Amino acid sequence: AQTVTQSQPEMSVQEAETVTLSCTYDTSESDYYLFWYKQPPSRQMILVIRQEAYKQQNATENRFSVNFQKAAKSFSLKISDSQLGDAAMYFCAYNTNAGKSTFGDGTTLTVKP
Amino acid sequence: KAGVTQTPRYLIKTRGQQVTLSCSPISGHRSVSWYQQTPGQGLQFLFEYFSETQRNKGNFPGRFSGRQFSNSRSEMNVSTLELGDSALYLCASSPDVGQTFTEAFFGQGTRLTVV
Repeated sequence: AQTVTQSQPEMSVQEAETVTLSCTYDTSESDYYLFWYKQPPSRQMILVIRQEAYKQQNATENRFSVNFQKAAKSFSLKISDSQLGDAAMYFCAYNTNAGKSTFGDGTTLTVKP
Repeated sequence: KAGVTQTPRYLIKTRGQQVTLSCSPISGHRSVSWYQQTPGQGLQFLFEYFSETQRNKGNFPGRFSGRQFSNSRSEMNVSTLELGDSALYLCASSPDVGQTFTEAFFGQGTRLTVV
């Protein structure tokens, strides 16, 4: 069974600084997708960034980027120039079969002004 | 385009009762998935429906069931409610074009409280 582990239950960052959230996963599949979702207090899950396993290039979306290490089964999220609006719970998720995603337990990110 | 709509947003039920939650996916999306989110267990996959058929199922007891209609709208039913069923129930839809999975678009959830 696939598992996703987020080892940092809580993280904090100073506004305008950079923070990295960790995620590791376990799978025997070779083709899959990885995602980072953000869940603010409103509870609306929002996709932050996605990575296809067959792509070697790390995905980037504005201030958000990932460090995808397929051999190590690691998928960390880097947030640059952190903003107050980035405060939320962040979930790492794995998907190999459309419609069924496996989520980590989440990391609560606090942004300090 | 309207997002994923879940109704109701909040629900309070008594132990032993049953409940039905509704999810309207984004127009054109044929895959609808359901998740249970609790503070202690995180997000747990319940099941996924595609073209009115259950395609994937998580490890939940038979009290949890669902269905999907021809317009892709989905309902989730929980019978004989237990206190432990109190949770945020999230619905997600995805286009599922062929074998290419893009992302899941989530609704705002239904907060179920069992008393």
